[in-house]
Amino acid sequence: ELKVEQNPLFLSMQEGKNYTIYCNYSTTSDRLYWYRQDPGKSLESLFVLLSNGAVKQEGRLMASLDTKARLSTLHITAAVHDLSATYFCAVGAQKLVFGQGTRLTINP
Amino acid sequence: DSGVTQTPKHLITATGQRVTLRCSPRSGDLSVYWYQQSLDQGLQFLIQYYNGEERAKGNILERFSAQQFPDLHSELNLSSLELGDSALYFCASSVGIKGGGETQYFGPGTRLLVL
Repeated sequence: ELKVEQNPLFLSMQEGKNYTIYCNYSTTSDRLYWYRQDPGKSLESLFVLLSNGAVKQEGRLMASLDTKARLSTLHITAAVHDLSATYFCAVGAQKLVFGQGTRLTINP
Repeated sequence: DSGVTQTPKHLITATGQRVTLRCSPRSGDLSVYWYQQSLDQGLQFLIQYYNGEERAKGNILERFSAQQFPDLHSELNLSSLELGDSALYFCASSVGIKGGGETQYFGPGTRLLVL
């Protein structure tokens, strides 16, 4: 059974700092997704990573995938308050298995 | 706005009742997925339909059923409701060229409260 684990689950950081969220998964998968969820809102697609070594960047967020280590990272550069949200990684094709989510709070 | 619509936004009902949640996928998307989000279980995949046919099944209770209609909208039926069914129910859609496996775009969700 595929399991997806994120860490940390809670992250409070200051504006301007860098940090990384980790996503480990238990069985081989050829695609990994990152989503963002604001409180009480829907999930917004951020990245889809399709192959080993894939790296994608959008603004202050950069995601990477290491399929051999079954690990994806979401790196936040020079955080700003607007990035405060819960971030989920998800693995799979049709049935996505989600991590627990990382609640990120960025303080001024 | 993902282009996926869900109705109603909120639903309050009593234990033992039956409700229907409705989802319209993005224009052109053939696959529809249903997920449940709760505090204790997190986000869980329930079921997928592709062009009217059930394609994948997850942790969906027997009291729950779904279907996708010829116009591609989908309905999730929840019956004999229990307190533990209170959750946020999301519908997602994808292009579905390969029957699934592309980026899934999520609707705004239906918040169900069972009293």
